[in-house]
Amino acid sequence: NAGVTQTPKFQVLKTGQSMTLQCAQDMNHEYMSWYRQDPGMGLRLIHYSVGAGITDQGEVPNGYNVSRSTTEDFPLRLLSAAPSQTSVYFCASSTPGQGNNEQFFGPGTRLTVL
Amino acid sequence: AQSVTQLDSQVPVFEEAPVELRCNYSSSVSVYLFWYVQYPNQGLQLLLKYLSGSTLVKGINGFEAEFNKSQTSFHLRKPSVHISDTAEYFCAVSGNTNAGKSTFGDGTTLTVKP
Repeated sequence: NAGVTQTPKFQVLKTGQSMTLQCAQDMNHEYMSWYRQDPGMGLRLIHYSVGAGITDQGEVPNGYNVSRSTTEDFPLRLLSAAPSQTSVYFCASSTPGQGNNEQFFGPGTRLTVL
Repeated sequence: AQSVTQLDSQVPVFEEAPVELRCNYSSSVSVYLFWYVQYPNQGLQLLLKYLSGSTLVKGINGFEAEFNKSQTSFHLRKPSVHISDTAEYFCAVSGNTNAGKSTFGDGTTLTVKP
């Protein structure tokens, strides 16, 4: 199993540009989430999904869109990049049930917006 | 609503000394509790988790944590640390109905000195 994969690993954007961060998992997990990590602030939830076709907002959703057409994929779209979106982005997946529930994280995407 | 407070942002210790990283949480529902470790430029990986049952949980790399419901704490301990334990550690909480929506603390940087 590859686990959770994210592409790209690094990205530099100019203010106003749009892009999509890709996330895929091969563990047949129902839940998928996007977090951003900023220095001294831990991880903050952007959007999450409990299954294909179902998404919901997290703590910091503004400026980001998501969709989940398949169990495996959960892309994060930046509509019009801003310097405040400079961060490291992590995708995670998990599955409910006794003995599970922990999240499996991808390696992250380091995004810089100029 | 739920929240997590990691009481120490940085913990420096000498090699082979014991260490405790403190975590307090608040939640209006029953929770699952997790400790994750993040090595430089990597994603997060699970150290240990509390779902139910015994309040003392053992994880990987010799770490353990104790769930204390009355004090709403979940402190992480290791009796003897190694240089390789130098990393950032995150405490996280999720409601027991949705593990994909976790709230993370701000992190504790553990630095082990020779």
